[in-house]
Amino acid sequence: NAGVTQTPKFQVLKTGQSMTLQCAQDMNHEYMSWYRQDPGMGLRLIHYSVGAGITDQGEVPNGYNVSRSTTEDFPLRLLSAAPSQTSVYFCASSSIRDRRSTEAFFGQGTRLTVV
Amino acid sequence: AQSVTQLGSHVSVSEGALVLLRCNYSSSVPPYLFWYVQYPNQGLQLLLKYTTGATLVKGINGFEAEFKKSETSFHLTKPSAHMSDAAEYFCAVTLSGTYKYIFGTGTRLKVLA
Repeated sequence: NAGVTQTPKFQVLKTGQSMTLQCAQDMNHEYMSWYRQDPGMGLRLIHYSVGAGITDQGEVPNGYNVSRSTTEDFPLRLLSAAPSQTSVYFCASSSIRDRRSTEAFFGQGTRLTVV
Repeated sequence: AQSVTQLGSHVSVSEGALVLLRCNYSSSVPPYLFWYVQYPNQGLQLLLKYTTGATLVKGINGFEAEFKKSETSFHLTKPSAHMSDAAEYFCAVTLSGTYKYIFGTGTRLKVLA
């Protein structure tokens, strides 16, 4: 059981470049989300989705785009990378149907550096 | 609005000593509370959670936490620290019926030999 899979694990971008961070889960979870982790700031929510075709903004959405065409996949797009987007990005998923199981499952993270 | 405060961004304990990591939350309705652990270069792993019922929650690796509504706290403890406990620990809260986690800023635990 793979859980939540993120690719790539590491990425270096030049300012202005665009790229997509991939996230896939095989647990049939309805809820998926993207966080960025910066030193001393914990994890901050970028975007989230409660199901295919439904997305919404989190705490720090600017400069990022998401879509959810399938239950399994939730890619995060950086439209024009900036040095301020240097961070570690985590994708997470959880079940909405089973309210007793509120645990969020996290991917291994993508370490992004924008130069 | 919900918020989570973790007191102490860095905590050092000797091997075998008590581990106490503090978490206070702010919520206008009963929250769900979580502790996650992050080992270097890894994702977050659930240690334990409180949703309803018993206020003392036991998790993996000998950790436990107690939900104290009157103190709005959910402190994480372990009676005897082990070198392998060195990691960063995050407290998080969601409201029942919602799915968005609010994370604290994390506490990095160092275990001294």
